[in-house]
Amino acid sequence: AQSVTQLDSQVPVFEEAPVELRCNYSSSVSVYLFWYVQYPNQGLQLLLKYLSGSTLVKGINGFEAEFNKSQTSFHLRKPSVHISDTAEYFCAVRGNTGGFKTIFGAGTRLFVKA
Amino acid sequence: SAVISQKPSRDICQRGTSLTIQCQVDSQVTMMFWYRQQPGQSLTLIATANQGSEATYESGFVIDKFPISRPNLTFSTLTVSNMSPEDSSIYLCSVPGQGKGGELFFGEGSRLTVL
Repeated sequence: AQSVTQLDSQVPVFEEAPVELRCNYSSSVSVYLFWYVQYPNQGLQLLLKYLSGSTLVKGINGFEAEFNKSQTSFHLRKPSVHISDTAEYFCAVRGNTGGFKTIFGAGTRLFVKA
Repeated sequence: SAVISQKPSRDICQRGTSLTIQCQVDSQVTMMFWYRQQPGQSLTLIATANQGSEATYESGFVIDKFPISRPNLTFSTLTVSNMSPEDSSIYLCSVPGQGKGGELFFGEGSRLTVL
């Protein structure tokens, strides 16, 4: 079984500042890792994913994340945020064998201030 | 990618009634997932709907409360039965992508408020 912990429920940050949203996971098997974003009144959309290979993955809208197996982390970063990045961000994990059941973290609310 | 349409987008319902949510996908998919997102919380998987077989429910969810239909490879419905205020949530339909990794694609959700 897998689980996901997002360490911050809310992250306020000023526009053009860097941001890191933290995610830790636990699993007894190898995993795929995902970050999704949910804008107000919308469904979720994929930001980026880690399947294998390079531990630094780049996604849409200038976001990137680094997989750290020893620390079981998959933190999301952006060097300079925009007002439009204000949204809920969810870290998710799925075992890389068997079915597609995906476990989501509790979410981090990113609030970008002018 | 997949385009997923859900109906209704939102509704206000009375306690004790039932509501059926529809999910239409623009391509054929084997699996469809139904998630619940309670106010201010994360997503919880309700069930996996496979075409041609009974849905598989997660712990804490039962067929009598959340009956699911999957008549073909592009469509599914979720019914929320005998609703109470605790059922006020966003209900999301999702499907896995075709490529390796199987990231999920989501509909825009159905926001239910039960009075």
